[in-house]
Amino acid sequence: EAQVTQNPRYLITVTGKKLTVTCSQNMNHEYMSWYRQDPGLGLRQIYYSMNVEVTDKGDVPEGYKVSRKEKRNFPLILESPSPNQTSLYFCASSITSYNEQFFGPGTRLTVL
Amino acid sequence: SQQGEEDPQALSIQEGENATMNCSYKTSINNLQWYRQNSGRGLVHLILIRSNEREKHSGRLRVTLDTSKKSSSLLITASRAADTASYFCATDPKRDSGAGSYQLTFGKGTKLSVIP
Repeated sequence: EAQVTQNPRYLITVTGKKLTVTCSQNMNHEYMSWYRQDPGLGLRQIYYSMNVEVTDKGDVPEGYKVSRKEKRNFPLILESPSPNQTSLYFCASSITSYNEQFFGPGTRLTVL
Repeated sequence: SQQGEEDPQALSIQEGENATMNCSYKTSINNLQWYRQNSGRGLVHLILIRSNEREKHSGRLRVTLDTSKKSSSLLITASRAADTASYFCATDPKRDSGAGSYQLTFGKGTKLSVIP
């Protein structure tokens, strides 16, 4: 089954404790992206990747890092999480940036 | 960066009625997409319309695009309780070169409630 998976689905952590949210897709897509969704603000793009080893900042990249060492995986790293990074995070993949995007189920992160 | 804006923010209708949602955007685009999100879940792609298309259908969905007004509408006919969700438009802004921006930008969504 074609899908995008994210782990963990729920995470409660404390300020400053490094964490990684994994994202994996099995559709051989070149384009992958991370979004955060906050009430009243819609979806905002954090980082995107056009292909392996090619990443670029989205609209709200501060406080986040990403890597794309393999085509299928695109982890999101929070080196020192802060409470303002409490949000619902989505990973997505597509053939190209302008095609239909396939979304993961979301990761609800709470930073205390 | 530029962003689509959906209107209305919330819409409540009776089952069987039609639902219309609008999206306005600011700059030229290559295409516009509509997505649905059930509460707290991942977005699901509904339909993509290219800048040279004016109307597109998919089942009970009808999307129009007016590039002169920089606006799009999503019509759901004969709505069902299962259509209750948030609906987002997403645009692929066109760069000066005519190519895409590599970023799909989303609006804040219209929350649709269909009452049985």
